[in-house]
Amino acid sequence: NAGVTQTPKFQVLKTGQSMTLQCAQDMNHNSMYWYRQDPGMGLRLIYYSASEGTTDKGEVPNGYNVSRLNKREFSLRLESAAPSQTSVYFCASSVPGQPNTEAFFGQGTRLTVV
Amino acid sequence: DQQVKQNSPSLSVQEGRISILNCDYTNSMFDYFLWYKKYPAEGPTFLISISSIKDKNEDGRFTVFLNKSAKHLSLHIVPSQPGDSAVYFCAASAAEGGSEKLVFGKGTKLTVNP
Repeated sequence: NAGVTQTPKFQVLKTGQSMTLQCAQDMNHNSMYWYRQDPGMGLRLIYYSASEGTTDKGEVPNGYNVSRLNKREFSLRLESAAPSQTSVYFCASSVPGQPNTEAFFGQGTRLTVV
Repeated sequence: DQQVKQNSPSLSVQEGRISILNCDYTNSMFDYFLWYKKYPAEGPTFLISISSIKDKNEDGRFTVFLNKSAKHLSLHIVPSQPGDSAVYFCAASAAEGGSEKLVFGKGTKLTVNP
């Protein structure tokens, strides 16, 4: 019963390096999301995908790209990491249109950019 | 402009007493409201939700109240237990393009003292 799985759990990057955060869900959900959590800022939406093949910007998309590879997987890419992208990143998925539209979250990726 | 506001960064209560966490929102298009609980080093987990057509929803020790005219909701925990100590996020959603995007508040850290 995995739910939402994120890899890696921890990562340290140097400024300018690139990396991809992976996310996969096994709940057959249509919608997937990437959030970042910063101290005192709550959870802010970076990108979301309503269905396979579609992606849209959220509140803080600058510096990121995403790929909805298939229904299960939604990756987040940092092309040139900056210290301002040091954060905890959460992937989530949900079934839109249901009475109970809560999102299920992964355990997070703690990213440090030095 | 913050659409979901949790104005109390922290709250401390005694075990057995009531905990009341508050949340205000500004977007009248929000039609679904949720509370998430987050422990350190874990992803947020869904706690309880309420549709905009209701003014109260109860689940065990947890009750959420919605006052649409005031654009205000609150989470009541009775009785509070030490295991309830966590960060609580208020979230709101509005159906948009077939995907319900969750907008989160900054969170309230609840500490329940034995």
